[in-house]
Amino acid sequence: NAGVMQNPRHLVRRRGQEARLRCSPMKGHSHVYWYRQLPEEGLKFMVYLQKENIIDESGMPKERFSAEFPKEGPSILRIQQVVRGDSAAYFCASSDGTGEKLLFGSGTQLSVL
Amino acid sequence: QKEVEQNSGPLSVPEGAIASLNCTYSDRGSQSFFWYRQYSGKSPELIMFIYSNGDKEDGRFTAQLNKASQYVSLLIRDSQPSDSATYLCAVAGSARQLTFGSGTQLTVLP
Repeated sequence: NAGVMQNPRHLVRRRGQEARLRCSPMKGHSHVYWYRQLPEEGLKFMVYLQKENIIDESGMPKERFSAEFPKEGPSILRIQQVVRGDSAAYFCASSDGTGEKLLFGSGTQLSVL
Repeated sequence: QKEVEQNSGPLSVPEGAIASLNCTYSDRGSQSFFWYRQYSGKSPELIMFIYSNGDKEDGRFTAQLNKASQYVSLLIRDSQPSDSATYLCAVAGSARQLTFGSGTQLTVLP
């Protein structure tokens, strides 16, 4: 399956711990987007990356959140010192950059205890 | 005003009926419009996209776009219980990232 791969599927963290979410884009795609979805809400844009570059991080909280997409390996969304309000589904999507049609991964459900 | 607005629903239609889902957007510079379907606990799945004014049909789905009114809709003909899901409208503006509405929950009653 050459789709967008996210792991882990579920992640449980205690307040103050770090959460690392991984995303491997679809084969042939070099553009990665991260979205967050709270219960009963739509998808909120967080960050848009290409290999080794952050293109748009206008949706990222100013503190504790960071993202990278290295030359080799998956894209990583990192949340430091998690709080209960970080509990949400985090979706990664990829595209080939020719349009905005995004293919989504299965998401990571983060639960902060 | 939200950038992309949808009626949250829930919208219920009987099996075989036409389901009509509506979406308005605020950015007049938006160029591309998308409808995603999301089943409970699953990831969004692209079902339709439209770039030009008018109608675009794909099977039982028809997307309609009116840029002057800043309005996009999705019609589902011959609705089936398997169409029961949340439908997300998404708009791409100059920022090259999609802005999503909060979704409309559709239930098709057998």
